[in-house]
Amino acid sequence: DSGVTQTPKHLITATGQRVTLRCSPRSGDLSVYWYQQSLDQGLQFLIQYYNGEERAKGNILERFSAQQFPDLHSELNLSSLELGDSALYFCASSSRTAGVKNEQFFGPGTRLTVL
Amino acid sequence: GENVEQHPSTLSVQEGDSAVIKCTYSDSASNYFPWYKQELGKRPQLIIDIRSNVGEKKDQRIAVTLNKTAKHFSLHITETQPEDSAVYFCAASKGGNKLTFGGGTRVLVKP
Repeated sequence: DSGVTQTPKHLITATGQRVTLRCSPRSGDLSVYWYQQSLDQGLQFLIQYYNGEERAKGNILERFSAQQFPDLHSELNLSSLELGDSALYFCASSSRTAGVKNEQFFGPGTRLTVL
Repeated sequence: GENVEQHPSTLSVQEGDSAVIKCTYSDSASNYFPWYKQELGKRPQLIIDIRSNVGEKKDQRIAVTLNKTAKHFSLHITETQPEDSAVYFCAASKGGNKLTFGGGTRVLVKP
């Protein structure tokens, strides 16, 4: 167990819908990262938050957004869902001081299926 | 941006043999190189990592080597066991930033 939690474990929804994925980082970790894993794209970085602020953006679609709350949990919002958004979405967190320790620990993931 | 290439994409070894997976990266500013093991449907688990100020690191049956000049790093698993069967990912990052992953290597250890 990495100490990172994600809910829900599975999500099945229809095209055009909106969903919210939730992540709680390890106790004390300030950085949260979101990654998407699909069969043909591997593990792709989406976005990073550090202590409530957006730190870096990767290949995140405009239909997707995220935020990190004062209690450091993070939510990834996916809207106007398309079939191609079906994937495993992982959240990872890293330790207290960004840049000092780089280890990222992954949550169990949310499997999103868009029908 | 950073690009990480990983080879081979699949690797089949006999139990007890060694397995070697190689990665190359493009950004010379990258300074942190972790390896993750992922079993089917599970989270990627950090198994070993190396920083750019070190050339080699070992942890029991696994070792990682880094050649900064050539911009490549490798994972070595010795005395492979069936439980080593999984997908292995290399990654690169600079500072405490995002990980850029290789495409993954599916390792099958045959008993």
